[in-house]
Amino acid sequence: DVKVTQSSRYLVKRTGEKVFLECVQDMDHENMFWYRQDPGLGLRLIYFSYDVKMKEKGDIPEGYSVSREKKERFSLILESASTNQTSMYLCASQDPVNNEQFFGPGTRLTVL
Amino acid sequence: GENVEQHPSTLSVQEGDSAVIKCTYSDSASNYFPWYKQELGKRPQLIIDIRSNVGEKKDQRIAVTLNKTAKHFSLHITETQPEDSAVYFCAASINSGYALNFGKGTSLLVTP
Repeated sequence: DVKVTQSSRYLVKRTGEKVFLECVQDMDHENMFWYRQDPGLGLRLIYFSYDVKMKEKGDIPEGYSVSREKKERFSLILESASTNQTSMYLCASQDPVNNEQFFGPGTRLTVL
Repeated sequence: GENVEQHPSTLSVQEGDSAVIKCTYSDSASNYFPWYKQELGKRPQLIIDIRSNVGEKKDQRIAVTLNKTAKHFSLHITETQPEDSAVYFCAASINSGYALNFGKGTSLLVTP
């Protein structure tokens, strides 16, 4: 069974703080993704990575950065958190055989 | 970039009825179309997918159809059950190993 875990289920931060969201998968997948989910807006791609140290911008990368130092770990960084970044953040990794994306449980981030 | 439109945003059906969710996409190069189901409080999970060389695919009570000429694809759920209640997301990709562009989701409610 593919396992994708995220460092926190709930997180509360203050405006201006630097925030780290971590995602770990245990299936040696090369492709990993970060999405944010907001009511009525669906899943929007922030960043993705095809391999260690590789990253590509998604549709809404502004205000975010990522880090992929090891294959199993993909981190999302909010350099200076703002209230409009309050959201549910979902990480996913992708099976290269059938292309299925496996999602983590999500981190609900609240920025005050 | 790719734009995926999904309709309706909410759908309510009686148990045993059929449900149909429709999506359109803009990029004619898209060739991979998965559907994800997200139950309340849970992570999205792949339920069925279709590739551009196939017009229809069925898995028990769910089926997906693809019309490449019209650039639309649909999810059909027959004999709906209360456990089918969830948010369903369609997605499209120009390459089955590439990032997904998701629709905004359809909240399906199946009433007993």
